[in-house]
Amino acid sequence: NAGVMQNPRHLVRRRGQEARLRCSPMKGHSHVYWYRQLPEEGLKFMVYLQKENIIDESGMPKERFSAEFPKEGPSILRIQQVVRGDSAAYFCASSPDRDSTDTQYFGPGTRLTVL
Amino acid sequence: DAKTTQPTSMDCAEGRAANLPCNHSTISGNEYVYWYRQIHSQGPQYIIHGLKNNETNEMASLIITEDRKSSTLILPHATLRDTAVYYCIVALYNQGGKLIFGQGTELSVKP
Repeated sequence: NAGVMQNPRHLVRRRGQEARLRCSPMKGHSHVYWYRQLPEEGLKFMVYLQKENIIDESGMPKERFSAEFPKEGPSILRIQQVVRGDSAAYFCASSPDRDSTDTQYFGPGTRLTVL
Repeated sequence: DAKTTQPTSMDCAEGRAANLPCNHSTISGNEYVYWYRQIHSQGPQYIIHGLKNNETNEMASLIITEDRKSSTLILPHATLRDTAVYYCIVALYNQGGKLIFGQGTELSVKP
């Protein structure tokens, strides 16, 4: 059973460009979480999604950031008009449906560098 | 803010047991204690979780005090590959939701 997959693993963007980060959850997992880790800081929750629904976006910046988890395909974290402060590691985690363990399993992350 | 407090760093000799403490004095009755670790900027790795009974798996043991206000993660035979930041997190179980990471404990396993 493959783990959580994220791509790209490294992404370089210039200020003002758009960044798209993809996350494929583990097989059988319908819950996806995005976290951000700024340089030398801890992990911060951003958003929690189920298929086609945003459940909790309390950690998402109000502007330029959006997330989706469509019925088919991976979850996408989209950052518009990136700025240098967006440079960070972005981790995705997934968990199975509620009738089994609620443990979140993390992917390897996407490291975004904004020039 | 994180609901747990952990020492900033600890050292452990290779082959010895590593005992990582965590205080969670405000834990509520339906919250579990989870432990994750992050090895050098990799994605966090789940280790173990528990409610009130002690738990053991192939990676570690979790000892939770009777009043549930603190716990200890035990790595029975630490190896150099166990060098990582260890996070203790309290969270509701089976209800989804975010994990709130604190600063964790940076464990250095030394030869």
